[in-house]
Amino acid sequence: SYVLTQPPSVSVAPGQTASITCGGDNIGSKSVHWYQQKPGQAPAVVIYYGSDRPSGIPERFSGSNSGNTATLTISRVEAGDEADYYCQVWDSRSDHYVFGIGTKVTVL
Amino acid sequence: EVQVLESGGGLVQPGGSLKLSCAASGFYAMTWVRQAPGKGLEWVAAIGSSGSPTYYADSVRGRFTISRDNSKNTLYLQMKSLRVEDTAFYYCAKIIGSIAAHFEDWGQGTLVTVSS
Repeated sequence: SYVLTQPPSVSVAPGQTASITCGGDNIGSKSVHWYQQKPGQAPAVVIYYGSDRPSGIPERFSGSNSGNTATLTISRVEAGDEADYYCQVWDSRSDHYVFGIGTKVTVL
Repeated sequence: EVQVLESGGGLVQPGGSLKLSCAASGFYAMTWVRQAPGKGLEWVAAIGSSGSPTYYADSVRGRFTISRDNSKNTLYLQMKSLRVEDTAFYYCAKIIGSIAAHFEDWGQGTLVTVSS
């Protein structure tokens, strides 16, 4: 089955840039979506189709996807960005949706 | 306006059954995703806007059945032969667009606890 690999945690100082990677075999050929989940809340999409941003999501959130790695980048990190972030794809070979294990972003 | 609202969770013994419901407006493909307490997201099942096709995670195939009643704007998840490891918050969400699209309008989840 298709596997997505994320780092368990990322720490970043306020105002700096956080980069969260999502590795997968030829993930660049897939549609990658990113979700933010804050404690006690349901997940919410922050980036879809690799780099599109829903209305209401700050421009500080951006995404890229190429080769074997997709990346979610949070610029000018704020305390309110502290959350778990998950990448997700549709694997057409198995007819399964797949999530990464999630990355906990801590703002120092 | 509440877009999606799950219900039906509760405490059930191992081997038991439970049926979850999700009230959702709009004509979209839908999905169930679960999250064990303190753990990550796990996709469970998905269904097309008209009731087919259906897709299942290997961990629930043969035990869970996803269905929908569009006349009632309701999505269901029938769960049988429940195991302790099925304990989780169960979320429903809309699949906006093609099969490869993202999940949107997540509900707040309903907790299923499988324990003796």
